[in-house]
Amino acid sequence: QKEVEQDPGPLSVPEGAIVSLNCTYSNSAFQYFMWYRQYSRKGPELLMYTYSSGNKEDGRFTAQVDKSSKYISLFIRDSQPSDSATYLCAMSAPLGNNRLAFGKGNQVVVIP
Amino acid sequence: DAGVIQSPRHEVTEMGQEVTLRCKPISGHDYLFWYRQTMMRGLELLIYFNNNVPIDDSGMPEDRFSAKMPNASFSTLKIQPSEPRDSAVYFCASSLETGRDTEAFFGQGTRLTVV
Repeated sequence: QKEVEQDPGPLSVPEGAIVSLNCTYSNSAFQYFMWYRQYSRKGPELLMYTYSSGNKEDGRFTAQVDKSSKYISLFIRDSQPSDSATYLCAMSAPLGNNRLAFGKGNQVVVIP
Repeated sequence: DAGVIQSPRHEVTEMGQEVTLRCKPISGHDYLFWYRQTMMRGLELLIYFNNNVPIDDSGMPEDRFSAKMPNASFSTLKIQPSEPRDSAVYFCASSLETGRDTEAFFGQGTRLTVV
């Protein structure tokens, strides 16, 4: 079993829709949970960061972590064409040598 | 700071040739990571360094791959001999030792095609 599972299927939504992405993980030592956004032909960039369980909101983006279920989610409200990108979940453990475990990523296309 | 700088951006080479990818991390960062990204396997960690010392190279696919970090501002990933299945985008990333959050800053990647 991989440490981080993210169903890599592409997602096409109309502009204004809510986008919902999620990952599951197996390593209970993970404490730091991140979402990276990767535009075409670019490197991933950090979008959201959450420590332990709970919700975090940043504008149209909400990240949720449920440690009891080992499940994290990213929601994008009022999606825009500029949100079209690949979204990768990532996580790490304390004293883990800064090593990040990444999901495979979801390609999101927001259609105007 | 200009961010993580990788070169070349694109590389096309023939099977059997040696390929060298280069990376300049963000100044002051303690960690440097080499990743490979493909559609099938996603983003895979190949090797990472802490203060120029290789910590974990278990992700390196085979002996044809090697990585060095001779100083804090430069690292190379070498493939010798290259094979078509090595075709992928290779990313270098660096991060700061904080003991907590671990934001990694990625370069633009090197798109390698082995024909």
